[in-house]
Amino acid sequence: DQQVKQNSPSLSVQEGRISILNCDYTNSMFDYFLWYKKYPAEGPTFLISISSIKDKNEDGRFTVFLNKSAKHLSLHIVPSQPGDSAVYFCAASEDSGGSNYKLTFGKGTLLTVNP
Amino acid sequence: DTGVSQDPRHKITKRGQNVTFRCDPISEHNRLYWYRQTLGQGPEFLTYFQNEAQLEKSRLLSDRFSAERPKGSFSTLEIQRTEQGDSAMYLCASSYPAPEQFFGPGTRLTVL
Repeated sequence: DQQVKQNSPSLSVQEGRISILNCDYTNSMFDYFLWYKKYPAEGPTFLISISSIKDKNEDGRFTVFLNKSAKHLSLHIVPSQPGDSAVYFCAASEDSGGSNYKLTFGKGTLLTVNP
Repeated sequence: DTGVSQDPRHKITKRGQNVTFRCDPISEHNRLYWYRQTLGQGPEFLTYFQNEAQLEKSRLLSDRFSAERPKGSFSTLEIQRTEQGDSAMYLCASSYPAPEQFFGPGTRLTVL
C-alpha cells in the first residue's frame, strides 16, 4: 500500500518553461512534506519543504503548493534549467514518537529539461 | 561544511558473507536514519536513532540486519549472511531540530 504516490514516472520540459511535478498521499497523519532531487549514484538532496499548516512555500525558483483537502502537493520550478534534470522525490513525514520524523517517499519523477 | 558521509561507496560481496557500512552524520545532528533504495523505488525507512538510542526499526529490517550508534555520533549497519535480495543502495540521513533530513551519498551493495 503506497502512501505517497507520484503518478508520472517522467516529465519533459523546455528550458525556461515551468516544470510542475505532482504528488498525492493517503495518510492523513502526515504533517510535513518535502521534495528531494537525486542525481544517479548520489544521495537525495533536500530542495524545499512545507508544513501542513501552510498551503504554499517558496524558495527562489522552487515553489511547493499543498492542498490538504485533496491530499495533493506539487512542486513548481520556474524557469526550468537543464541542470534541473534529475529524479525528484516527494516525501512525507509524521512524528511517530520520540521525534522520529521518518520519511515515506514516492517512487520519483524523472525530469528532463531540454535546452 | 561537512555533510553526511558514508563508507564504503560501493561494496561487492558474495552471498552468505557479512558486510558492514558506516555513516558519519552532520556533527550537530542527534537524529540519524537508515534507508534502503532499490531500482525504480523511493528510499524506504529502515531504522532511526536519537543520540545512541535506536528508537524504531522497520519490519523491513530482518534479524540479519543490525544497526548501532555507540556514542551518539557515527553509526554502523551490518548485514549478516547476505542474500541477493539485499542488493540495494543503503542511505544514511541526519537531522536536527527540523524534520528536514540530509542524506549521504549512499553505499551501493551488490550481492553476487
